[in-house]
Amino acid sequence: RKEVEQDPGPFNVPEGATVAFNCTYSNSASQSFFWYRQDCRKEPKLLMSVYSSGNEDGWFTDQLYRASQYISLLIRDSKLSDSATYLCVVKRVTGNQFYFGTGTSLTVIP
Amino acid sequence: NAGVTQTPKFQVLKTGQSMTLQCAQDMNHNSMYWYRQDPGMGLRLIYYSASEGTTDKGEVPNGYNVSRLNKREFSLRLESAAPSQTSVYFCASSEGWGTTTNEKLFFGSGTQLSVL
Repeated sequence: RKEVEQDPGPFNVPEGATVAFNCTYSNSASQSFFWYRQDCRKEPKLLMSVYSSGNEDGWFTDQLYRASQYISLLIRDSKLSDSATYLCVVKRVTGNQFYFGTGTSLTVIP
Repeated sequence: NAGVTQTPKFQVLKTGQSMTLQCAQDMNHNSMYWYRQDPGMGLRLIYYSASEGTTDKGEVPNGYNVSRLNKREFSLRLESAAPSQTSVYFCASSEGWGTTTNEKLFFGSGTQLSVL
């Protein structure tokens, strides 16, 4: 089983729609969780860190469901500029390796 | 702030040629990483260096070597390039304290490598 799994999509949504992405992780020793955004042919950039209490940043909301071993990313009132690939990233309590999902592709349509 | 700097941005090699990808970070990070990204495969770890003086294999190390030259620099070498190594390569760094929560990865802008 892969360390981190995401639905690859693609998700094609109209501008202003709400869209949610889920990501599951297999190792219960995972400690740190992130969503990264990657634009075509560019490097991944940190979007949000995910905490148990949930986190809001503008129209983005993330949530950690530790008992079920998954994290979510909710995009409300999606904008054309939100079109990108969203990567789920997980890090264990110890060690220096980060584990990546394959990414979920989002296209926001006018 | 430069962050993580990778060179070159693009490279075309013939099968059997060798080359070194350079990476440097100016954030005083302990850990550095080399990933490759292929369509449908996501980011796969090639090698990483938890701290200066150490290197470890990742998921796909075959055909690559690395050198942690100092705390700032971490290079990736292809000794005899093969078409299967055509990919986008990303260098990254993190604070690298191991058990620190919320430790983040910072990426360089990538190298598009084609091996003919």
